[in-house]
Amino acid sequence: QQQVKQSPQSLIVQKGGISIINCAYENTAFDYFPWYQQFPGKGPALLIAIRPDVSEKKEGRFTISFNKSAKQFSLHIMDSQPGDSATYFCAASRDGGYQKVTFGTGTKLQVIP
Amino acid sequence: EAQVTQNPRYLITVTGKKLTVTCSQNMNHEYMSWYRQDPGLGLRQIYYSMNVEVTDKGDVPEGYKVSRKEKRNFPLILESPSPNQTSLYFCASRSGSQVYNEQFFGPGTRLTVL
Repeated sequence: QQQVKQSPQSLIVQKGGISIINCAYENTAFDYFPWYQQFPGKGPALLIAIRPDVSEKKEGRFTISFNKSAKQFSLHIMDSQPGDSATYFCAASRDGGYQKVTFGTGTKLQVIP
Repeated sequence: EAQVTQNPRYLITVTGKKLTVTCSQNMNHEYMSWYRQDPGLGLRQIYYSMNVEVTDKGDVPEGYKVSRKEKRNFPLILESPSPNQTSLYFCASRSGSQVYNEQFFGPGTRLTVL
């Protein structure tokens, strides 16, 4: 059973545009929602993470928006660059990430010049 | 350099031949975990360990074993591999000193079971 649903599966954005990836979860006990970035041939790396006590977190061009009542969270990449082309995974976990971690299925982002 | 290492990076084997994929971290992390990555399915957690001698099942533990006898090592054992275990495997670790810590991933092991 997929407890974290991620969409879209792939995304093509023009350079300078906004990339938006959405995730929805089912388990209300989740309290840690990280986003990972993965380049081809590499392991995932943490990009940005949020806890459910805040509705938004911004780090540079990357923003997480969190809607606790809708059980949804999204990643926004502002001013998307070709170097942002990668696969992005959302994830969710309990106990601050110290329990089982459930990942979304991933979004392959391509930023075209 | 702080890192998670995995060996081997690539492995081709045959059905039923026991194998072990090693994972080691040099960051003194308490928490370690194994994932498999398959197209269209994302990353799925196989097993995780919160400390030495403490392990628990993830979402897809069937066909796998793990052990955590030392803090730095967390090997993944496939006692009788089958073709449906062909996948890209990642080991990861994180500190247990506080919650909401970053999880660090290894470079991956690509396993093919014929």
